[in-house]
Amino acid sequence: AQKITQTQPGMFVQEKEAVTLDCTYDTSDQSYGLFWYKQPSSGEMIFLIYQGSYDEQNATEGRYSLNFQKARKSTNLVISASQLGDSAMYFCAMRTSGSARQLTFGSGTQLTVLP
Amino acid sequence: NAGVTQTPKFRVLKTGQSMTLLCAQDMNHEYMYWYRQDPGMGLRLIHYSVGEGTTAKGEVPDGYNVSRLKKQNFLLGLESAAPSQTSVYFCASRKRTGDYEQYFGPGTRLTVT
Repeated sequence: AQKITQTQPGMFVQEKEAVTLDCTYDTSDQSYGLFWYKQPSSGEMIFLIYQGSYDEQNATEGRYSLNFQKARKSTNLVISASQLGDSAMYFCAMRTSGSARQLTFGSGTQLTVLP
Repeated sequence: NAGVTQTPKFRVLKTGQSMTLLCAQDMNHEYMYWYRQDPGMGLRLIHYSVGEGTTAKGEVPDGYNVSRLKKQNFLLGLESAAPSQTSVYFCASRKRTGDYEQYFGPGTRLTVT
């Protein structure tokens, strides 16, 4: 069974500093995909960044980057130069090996950026 | 493109009442999903569909039914609502091929009293 664990219920970061949000996963599949979504207080789910299990390079997307450690089964999200608008819930998710490519989500990390 | 839309945005039901949530997407996506989000938890998959006329159960399907009569629409039904079904419901869709992200609707906040 697939499992995603986010051990930080809440995090605080000072504006303009970098922050790392942790995510570990458990799967017996060789091929899988890892996704990060942002959910602001308005409630919508916004896709941020993706890492494939066979990707050799860590994914980057603007101020977002992933620290993908396959052997440790972790994919931590790094947000550089935090902004007040980054305050939100962040979810890590894993694409399963099922034919419908379902996502299994972690419980999320609430990030608060302090001015 | 409107993307993924959900109707209604809010609803209050009494225990035992029924209702249908509508999800529509205009991106010609083959796959569609229904999730529920409860406080302190991530999204959990209720049902999904890999194409018109096909549906399958996800992680938490009890108390829900779905239908996908048209490719662009995915309906979630509650036949006899229970307080435990108070939640925020999200619909999502994605392309069939490739490892692409799921696109989410804005959510429906349902309260069952």
